[in-house]
Formats: sequence, structure tokens, C-alpha cells
Amino acid sequence: QLVLTQSPSASASLGASVKLTCTLSSGHSSYAIAWHQQQPEKGPRYLMKLNSDGSHSKGDGIPDRFSGSSSGAERYLTISSLQSEDEADYYCQTWGTGGVFGGGTKLTVL
Amino acid sequence: QVQLVQSGAEVKKPGASVKVSCKVSGYTLTELSMHWVRQAPGKGLEWMGGFDPEDGETIYAQKFQGRVTMTEDTSTDTAYMELSSLRSEDTAVYYCATLNGSYPYWYFDLWGRGTLVTVSS
Repeated sequence: QLVLTQSPSASASLGASVKLTCTLSSGHSSYAIAWHQQQPEKGPRYLMKLNSDGSHSKGDGIPDRFSGSSSGAERYLTISSLQSEDEADYYCQTWGTGGVFGGGTKLTVL
Repeated sequence: QVQLVQSGAEVKKPGASVKVSCKVSGYTLTELSMHWVRQAPGKGLEWMGGFDPEDGETIYAQKFQGRVTMTEDTSTDTAYMELSSLRSEDTAVYYCATLNGSYPYWYFDLWGRGTLVTVSS
């Protein structure tokens, strides 16, 4: 069964970097995913598509501070030079017999 | 620039139906694959269904089979999601989102702002 696993929470200081992880279930390590950001009281926003080889394509207007990488079944979202507006929930998403979402990671900027 | 404009909040009684709309601007609906995702209060994102570009049919998550109907009016570039037999657990924000990519790696690349549906007696 295709499942995406994310840590429920993460935190980092203003101006620092943070790396969020999304893990694909066994047998699905070749899958591409997408990262979405959801700021408080807002709808989701597409950040990027991330392939198994680490190549990624970002959505329009997504700052260079956001980047993606991959290793095996893990997919990463790195945010550098953290700003207060980066405090949000981050969801990874892929496709099986339909849309599949991870449980989301709540990022707190200290 | 493509935009998805959703209808306003709804309050429904248990057992009723709700129909949420999502109007496309800046593109035509026939050029897009529209899907619906919901989010219960304090919870994560849950895919409900949408247009499958591989076989040209609308597909639904098993959880909603028989209770949800997704339709499109291409004359007004508006997509609709109707959920019937509402219960309190259906209280959520409902989002439309467009599907992009290629088989088998589809992803959502544009989201509406959401429509809050509250089910309460």
C-alpha cells in the first residue's frame, strides 16, 4: 500500500535552515512527489514536484530558498534563510490509484 | 494566469446534500483535470476524486463512492462537487485543485481557496 510518512512537527530559528522529510512506503522508492505549503487559515499552495533522482521543478513565484532533494525512499524539502511566513504546514503528495497525501509537518519558526 | 474561484460557505443539516462550485479563469476547463480535496478541522488533506486524464473518466476515492458526484459545465468553465447524505464528519473545507504531470506521477499544481461546509442540526 502506497503511504507517505511525515514527522508531525519541526522547528527552526529565524534565518536558519530546515529540512523536512517525506518517506515513501516500501516498494515505492521510485515515485515522484509534490510538496505543498499551507499557511495558517489559508488553502494549500503548490511548491514543487520532486523526482526520485532529486531533480525538481518549482511552481511559479516560489523563492529560491525552497529546494528539494531525494535519497532512496526519502524526499526532502529544504527551506533556507527561514522567514516568519514560512511557518506553515507542509504536505507531501503522490499518486497511486488516486491522490495520496502525507499527514503533514507543522513547521514552527522560532 | 489561471485562477480557481470557489463558491461560498454552506451550512447543511445531516442527511442533506451540498454542491460546491469551482470556476476557472484564465484557462478553459477542458484543458484541465479538476480534482477535489477536503480538510476536516485540524486534520490533513484527503483526496476525494476527479478527472483521470489517462482514461478520460471521473474517478472517486472508495470512501466516497456512491455519495459524491463530480461534474463539469464547460460552457461556464465551472466544476462542481456534490456530496449527499451529509453527516457531521463531513464538516470540512473543500478544495478544488488541478492535476498536472504525466502517468504515473500526477500532482496538484493549483488550488482553490476552499469552501467551508458545516454539517450541523
